[in-house]
Amino acid sequence: AQSVTQLGSHVSVSEGALVLLRCNYSSSVPPYLFWYVQYPNQGLQLLLKYTSAATLVKGINGFEAEFKKSETSFHLTKPSAHMSDAAEYFCAVVRRGSQGNLIFGKGTKLSVKP
Amino acid sequence: NAGVTQTPKFRVLKTGQSMTLLCAQDMNHEYMYWYRQDPGMGLRLIHYSVGEGTTAKGEVPDGYNVSRLKKQNFLLGLESAAPSQTSVYFCASSYLNTGGNTEAFFGQGTRLTVV
Repeated sequence: AQSVTQLGSHVSVSEGALVLLRCNYSSSVPPYLFWYVQYPNQGLQLLLKYTSAATLVKGINGFEAEFKKSETSFHLTKPSAHMSDAAEYFCAVVRRGSQGNLIFGKGTKLSVKP
Repeated sequence: NAGVTQTPKFRVLKTGQSMTLLCAQDMNHEYMYWYRQDPGMGLRLIHYSVGEGTTAKGEVPDGYNVSRLKKQNFLLGLESAAPSQTSVYFCASSYLNTGGNTEAFFGQGTRLTVV
């Protein structure tokens, strides 16, 4: 069965440091992959998506992710963390054969220390 | 532009009570979804709809029913609430895309507690 694994339920970085949130997927064919962000007491907002047009995908708020087929990974990065980046981040993949149904990872909560 | 609106935002139910969560979208999207979010579990799909008058089961459909009588609305019903249904419920919608790479737009969520 398809799955998405996010390594690390909590990640803490200092302001200005590199942010790296890990996501691995299981799929025998190139998937459609997404990163969503959830700020406290809010819904999910799309950060970026991979649709096979380019392996390096740039999103909003300075985030980007690189699709690596050989590693089945889609890690999210940001060169310099800002206090406003503190949130929970979800990696998701479209369920194969579905009409856009998403399979989510369990989420990674990012804390940013001043 | 409201996007996806969920009502109510908070609700406390007693075990055995019923309720309906309403989701409304103003983007003319074909697809609508109901997810539940539990700590450490991510979001899991309850039911979804690919168009007016259609519904289908997702990953965790037991104990829930849905209806899509109008394209813009997607209702989630709990006939007899149980404590295990304490969760945050999210509605989402997306436009028709056979490739599957379309973005889903989410509502603000409904926090339901069953006591």
